[in-house]
Amino acid sequence: NAGVTQTPKFQVLKTGQSMTLQCAQDMNHEYMSWYRQDPGMGLRLIHYSVGAGITDQGEVPNGYNVSRSTTEDFPLRLLSAAPSQTSVYFCASSSPHRGLKETQYFGPGTRLLVL
Amino acid sequence: QQQVKQSPQSLIVQKGGIPIINCAYENTAFDYFPWYQQFPGKGPALLIAIRPDVSEKKEGRFTISFNKSAKQFSLHIMDSQPGDSATYFCAPREGGTYKYIFGTGTRLKVLA
Repeated sequence: NAGVTQTPKFQVLKTGQSMTLQCAQDMNHEYMSWYRQDPGMGLRLIHYSVGAGITDQGEVPNGYNVSRSTTEDFPLRLLSAAPSQTSVYFCASSSPHRGLKETQYFGPGTRLLVL
Repeated sequence: QQQVKQSPQSLIVQKGGIPIINCAYENTAFDYFPWYQQFPGKGPALLIAIRPDVSEKKEGRFTISFNKSAKQFSLHIMDSQPGDSATYFCAPREGGTYKYIFGTGTRLKVLA
């Protein structure tokens, strides 16, 4: 199993450009989420999905769109990039295991710089 | 509104010491209390977790202490090693959801 994969690893954008960060998992997990990590602020939840066709907003959703057409893929779209979106983005997946250790598996991250 | 307050921000201990990292929360609907470990350039990885029906859980050198009435839980690392040097996050989950709220992180350095 590859686990959670993210592409690209690193991206530079100009203000106003759009792009899609890709996330895929091969563990058949129902739950997937996107976080951004900024210095001193921990990880903040952007959007999450509890299954194909179902998405919801997290703590900091503005400026980002998501969709979940398949169980495996959960892309994050930046509609019009702004310097405030410079960050490291992590995708995660998990599956509910009541009574057992529930684990979120994180991808390696995408480092985004918006000029 | 900061739902989760983690302290300290950074911590330096000697090898063999017992660093303690604390997490205080506001939301009484949290129902699962994990700690994550993150090395530079990597994504976080689950270290240990506890459910609110127990007050302590040990896994190897790592222990979680949970105080439901005080709305606090802490991570203890016994016999710390230089390889434990990393950033640690508490990340309680809102009950009935899959939403995890991360603390701001504690950067731990264990000196050889």
